[in-house]
Amino acid sequence: SQTIHQWPATLVQPVGSPLSLECTVEGTSNPNLYWYRQAAGRGLQLLFYSVGIGQISSEVPQNLSASRPQDRQFILSSKKLLLSDSGFYLCAGRDVSYEQYFGPGTRLTVT
Amino acid sequence: DQQVKQNSPSLSVQEGRISILNCDYTNSMFDYFLWYKKYPAEGPTFLISISSIKDKNEDGRFTVFLNKSAKHLSLHIVPSQPGDSAVYFCAALEAAGNKLTFGGGTRVLVKP
Repeated sequence: SQTIHQWPATLVQPVGSPLSLECTVEGTSNPNLYWYRQAAGRGLQLLFYSVGIGQISSEVPQNLSASRPQDRQFILSSKKLLLSDSGFYLCAGRDVSYEQYFGPGTRLTVT
Repeated sequence: DQQVKQNSPSLSVQEGRISILNCDYTNSMFDYFLWYKKYPAEGPTFLISISSIKDKNEDGRFTVFLNKSAKHLSLHIVPSQPGDSAVYFCAALEAAGNKLTFGGGTRVLVKP
């Protein structure tokens, strides 16, 4: 079964600073990859997904971008963070089965 | 437009009793449904799923029921245990779709 790795676990960044969150997948090849955000007390919001290297679909207009430079690597970035970017960021992967498997998440606080 | 809705934001149940979580959907193209459990500051973990060709799937203490005509599914946890206290999300997938559509979640508290 696949394992999703995310780091860092927590991050505190000032407004206007850049962001790079990395996600890597172990145990599968050519997975679909996803970035979600959960704001405090809210549900899971899909931000981006990718079905292959270099292929990115954006779900909501925002201050963030995503890239997939390798088959099992998915990166979430921002050039300038906003206060509203604070939240819990989750990476997920899906192989040939229907289930998505999630990483442990990154808690981002923008101050 | 929320295509997957969990109308109960929270649920409190006594240990040993049954927990019933409900989920409604509007998109008739959904053909696979999943339930996830999430603890604070952790990623969701997959619990159980059901295909639209079935009306029931059971795995240990967890059973998911699907009523396609009503566009409704439910998760039953029997017996409920304190460790079941978490937020539960239902999710749906279209045939050949790439992304899950999640409900807003139901927070379950199991009292000892």
